[in-house]
Amino acid sequence: EAQVTQNPRYLITVTGKKLTVTCSQNMNHEYMSWYRQDPGLGLRQIYYSMNVEVTDKGDVPEGYKVSRKEKRNFPLILESPSPNQTSLYFCASSLGKSSYNEQFFGPGTRLTVL
Amino acid sequence: QKEVEQNSGPLSVPEGAIASLNCTYSDRGSQSFFWYRQYSGKSPELIMFIYSNGDKEDGRFTAQLNKASQYVSLLIRDSQPSDSATYLCAPRGNSWGKLQFGAGTQVVVTP
Repeated sequence: EAQVTQNPRYLITVTGKKLTVTCSQNMNHEYMSWYRQDPGLGLRQIYYSMNVEVTDKGDVPEGYKVSRKEKRNFPLILESPSPNQTSLYFCASSLGKSSYNEQFFGPGTRLTVL
Repeated sequence: QKEVEQNSGPLSVPEGAIASLNCTYSDRGSQSFFWYRQYSGKSPELIMFIYSNGDKEDGRFTAQLNKASQYVSLLIRDSQPSDSATYLCAPRGNSWGKLQFGAGTQVVVTP
């Protein structure tokens, strides 16, 4: 089944404790992206990757890191999480460089930072 | 001013009626426009995309685009309770990798 998977789905952590949220897709998609979703603010893009070893900042990259060492994986790293990073996070992927390619979203990761 | 504006709702629509959702955007370079539906607690799923001025119909959904007015809309005909969800507008600009979403319009279809 073609899908985007994220792990963990739910995470409660404390301020300053490094964490990684994994994202993996099995569709051989070139493009992957991370979003956070907060009430009233909609989806905001954190980072995106056009291909392996190619990443770029979205609208809200502060406090996050990403890497794209393999085509299928795009982990999101929070080196020192803070309470304002409490949010619902979505990973998405799409086929490649066309304006019309839809993004397929993972199931989401609900992160709480205490 | 937000770059993508949508009425937050909730938009209450009687079953069988037409739901009309609006979206305005600020990036004149936007090339294509996506409408995603998101059920509560779930991830967004694509329902429509449009890239040419005018109307595009797909089943009960019609997307309308007016690039001169920087306006895109979504009509849902014969609304069903299963259409109750939040609808997200997402224009894609010249910077291909960046996709900006509106905050979404919540639609509630009442039996």
